[in-house]
Amino acid sequence: DAGITQSPRYKITETGRQVTLMCHQTWSHSYMFWYRQDLGHGLRLIYYSAAADITDKGEVPDGYVVSRSKTENFPLTLESATRSQTSVYFCASSPRDRVTYEQYFGPGTRLTVT
Amino acid sequence: GIQVEQSPPDLILQEGANSTLRCNFSDSVNNLQWFHQNPWGQLINLFYIPSGTKQNGRLSATTVATERYSLLYISSSQTTDSGVYFCAVNSGGYQKVTFGTGTKLQVIP
Repeated sequence: DAGITQSPRYKITETGRQVTLMCHQTWSHSYMFWYRQDLGHGLRLIYYSAAADITDKGEVPDGYVVSRSKTENFPLTLESATRSQTSVYFCASSPRDRVTYEQYFGPGTRLTVT
Repeated sequence: GIQVEQSPPDLILQEGANSTLRCNFSDSVNNLQWFHQNPWGQLINLFYIPSGTKQNGRLSATTVATERYSLLYISSSQTTDSGVYFCAVNSGGYQKVTFGTGTKLQVIP
């Protein structure tokens, strides 16, 4: 039972480069989320998706693009990376069952933009 | 938006001691979760507890939604309990998850 995985786990890129962070879950959860974690800000929601082909902005979406062509995958793309996007990125998923909104987190990707 | 405050911000315990972490929120919430972020950065689900009391081994949690707070109890603390504890709440729409600022716990032998 792999659960939710993220790749790469560590990434160093240069300013202006495009970079894609991958998220894959094996539970068939409908909802998926991307967060970034920075010192002094805690975890902040970037984008979320309620189902395949349905995405919406969270608190800090600028500079990021998401897509969700398949239920199990939710990639996050930084189209032109900036130093302010240096952060730890967490993907999460949650079942469609509206009795519970429990979220399950991946291991995170540490991204450094030089 | 909703404000989520956790206290204390930092806590140092001797191994074997008990502790209570608090999460206050400024508005009514639909859901509440407690997480433990271990020293390696992994976020681990502890409790999904929009109301009531739950227990899991040495940990238990209580949420009093009407008074807008939740408590996490850690008994007989161990060094592996070290890390940061977050509460996260849903308010309004399902996507509006707000995390608290966290309590950093260090358990020393």
